[in-house]
Amino acid sequence: GDSVTQMEGPVTLSEEAFLTINCTYTATGYPSLFWYVQYPGEGLQLLLKATKADDKGSNKGFEATYRKETTSFHLEKGSVQVSDSAVYFCALGFHSGGSNYKLTFGKGTLLTVNP
Amino acid sequence: DAGVIQSPRHEVTEMGQEVTLRCKPISGHNSLFWYRQTMMRGLELLIYFNNNVPIDDSGMPEDRFSAKMPNASFSTLKIQPSEPRDSAVYFCASSLRGGGARGAFFGQGTRLTVV
Repeated sequence: GDSVTQMEGPVTLSEEAFLTINCTYTATGYPSLFWYVQYPGEGLQLLLKATKADDKGSNKGFEATYRKETTSFHLEKGSVQVSDSAVYFCALGFHSGGSNYKLTFGKGTLLTVNP
Repeated sequence: DAGVIQSPRHEVTEMGQEVTLRCKPISGHNSLFWYRQTMMRGLELLIYFNNNVPIDDSGMPEDRFSAKMPNASFSTLKIQPSEPRDSAVYFCASSLRGGGARGAFFGQGTRLTVV
């Protein structure tokens, strides 16, 4: 079945460091790919998305590129801030009909940024 | 837009009691999801509705759990009887057409503690 695998956490970085959180997926067909962020005590928020191969999603300095050849959607940010500390979830979803109308999430990666 | 609204935000109950969690999706969204989040198991999809009809309830852990969506603006998740292992944060999310292409929008969650 469809699945998402993201790197194990926790990830601890110093402020202004470069961030990469790896995400790979397994799916039949051509899913849309998402990154969600969950700040402490809150629900998940959509951070960015890409709907087809080679698309790049970006938001708040974060970027991820949909790589069909490597079935990956790695999250990157050039310079993290303390306020980026959160749990990050990679997810896939299908925009076709039938029973595939849902999102599948990875297990989440906890990021802690120290000043 | 008010976003997805869940109530209560926190619930503490005794083992054996009935618990009802409530969700109001974003107006105009026709898909609704209930998720459970724990440290051990991460984010789990419990049930998914499309146009008020349950599409996939394979994630509902057992018969003690039930969910309803009587209309497009309201859903409930009921646990009867509750057990300590049901303690978790329960999230409701809504989207257009299952969120496969556009992603889903999450509520703030209900933190359930069963003692």
